[in-house]
Amino acid sequence: SAVISQKPSRDICQRGTSLTIQCQVDSQVTMMFWYRQQPGQSLTLIATANQGSEATYESGFVIDKFPISRPNLTFSTLTVSNMSPEDSSIYLCGGGVGMNTEAFFGQGTRLTVV
Amino acid sequence: AQSVTQPDIHITVSEGASLELRCNYSYGATPYLFWYVQSPGQGLQLLLKYFSGDTLVQGIKGFEAEFKRSQSSFNLRKPSVHWSDAAEYFCAVVPTGFQKLVFGTGTRLLVSP
Repeated sequence: SAVISQKPSRDICQRGTSLTIQCQVDSQVTMMFWYRQQPGQSLTLIATANQGSEATYESGFVIDKFPISRPNLTFSTLTVSNMSPEDSSIYLCGGGVGMNTEAFFGQGTRLTVV
Repeated sequence: AQSVTQPDIHITVSEGASLELRCNYSYGATPYLFWYVQSPGQGLQLLLKYFSGDTLVQGIKGFEAEFKRSQSSFNLRKPSVHWSDAAEYFCAVVPTGFQKLVFGTGTRLLVSP
């Protein structure tokens, strides 16, 4: 199994600012995912990031708001741009070598926007 | 609409009692199926998975799940619950032909003494 580390683990940010969340995997993974978990809710997929290609965003999420980088097979970043209190959530990074295997997840980043 | 449903938002069981958490999916073909657990303040941990073959799968921490094609269900069971099992449980699927993991709504398990 892969170990996924996310930084920061939590942050409190001012509205209108941006935060970049880093996700590091201890082994190479083909696919990386970014999810949002709003308070008391389930996980909603923001985008899938495969190395060497543009991230694929789910309905309701746009690149200008959530730009993603995937420079290599072990690292990805998610930026939450121009934040508002509605962006207060847990953001989780996940990774896997293919959809016929399990995905592993980081501990999440708890973001509070004030 | 295609979805993953966990009918029970909250479940409370006594320590030592058996547990069953329900999961139903509404995808045409059998997807890949997973159960994850999220403990307070923790990330997601995979409990078990089903891709094909034997419909009863064993996982970690004494959990098992049974896939029933006729019912489009993948219910999670444990014969004897421990206080440390209190957590949020998520059923998840990878729909056939898709490259993404779709999560259910989650069931919060409370364990009473």
